[in-house]
Amino acid sequence: SYVLTQPPSVSVAPGQTARITCGGRNIGRLSVHWYQQKAGQAPVPVIYSDTDRPSGIPERLSGSNAGNTATLTISGVEAGDEADYYCQVWDSTGDHWVFGGGTKLTVL
Amino acid sequence: EVQLVESGGGLVQPGGSLRLSCAASGFTFNNYWMHWVRQTPGKGLAWVSHINTDGSRTTYAESVKGRCVISRDNTKNTLYLQVNSLRVEDTAVYFCVRMRGHSTSSFYDYWGQGSLVTVSS
Repeated sequence: SYVLTQPPSVSVAPGQTARITCGGRNIGRLSVHWYQQKAGQAPVPVIYSDTDRPSGIPERLSGSNAGNTATLTISGVEAGDEADYYCQVWDSTGDHWVFGGGTKLTVL
Repeated sequence: EVQLVESGGGLVQPGGSLRLSCAASGFTFNNYWMHWVRQTPGKGLAWVSHINTDGSRTTYAESVKGRCVISRDNTKNTLYLQVNSLRVEDTAVYFCVRMRGHSTSSFYDYWGQGSLVTVSS
């Protein structure tokens, strides 16, 4: 089955840029989605189809995907960005949906 | 406003069963594929199952295949997940999720708040 690998944690100072990676074999050929989950809340989509933002998501959040790595970039990090972030793809071979293990973003 | 409200969770003994429900409102329920996703305490997300718009097609994760049945009642705008032969490792918050479209570019655009299932003796 398809495996997505994320770093367990990323820490950045306010105002800096955070980059959260999601690794997978030839993930650049797949459509990657990202979800943000704040403590005690349900996840919320922040990026879909590699680079698109749902309505209401600020332009500070962006996505890219090529080769074996997809990346969620958060520019001008704010305290309110502190959350867990998960990447997701569709594994067509089994018609299964796969999540990465999640990355905890800490704002220093 | 789109709302997904889960119910039916609780404390169950190993080997037991339960049925989760998800009441949907604020959208045309029978136009959307629906999914269940679970999250074990303090850990990550895991897809459990999905069902197509008319309930004729279902798929399950290997971890629950043979023990779970997903279904829907489009007349009641409700999604269900029947889980049998519960194991301690099934302990999780179960989220009802709406999928926008059904293709490689589809994603989960709305999530319920989740229903906690605890399997313990």
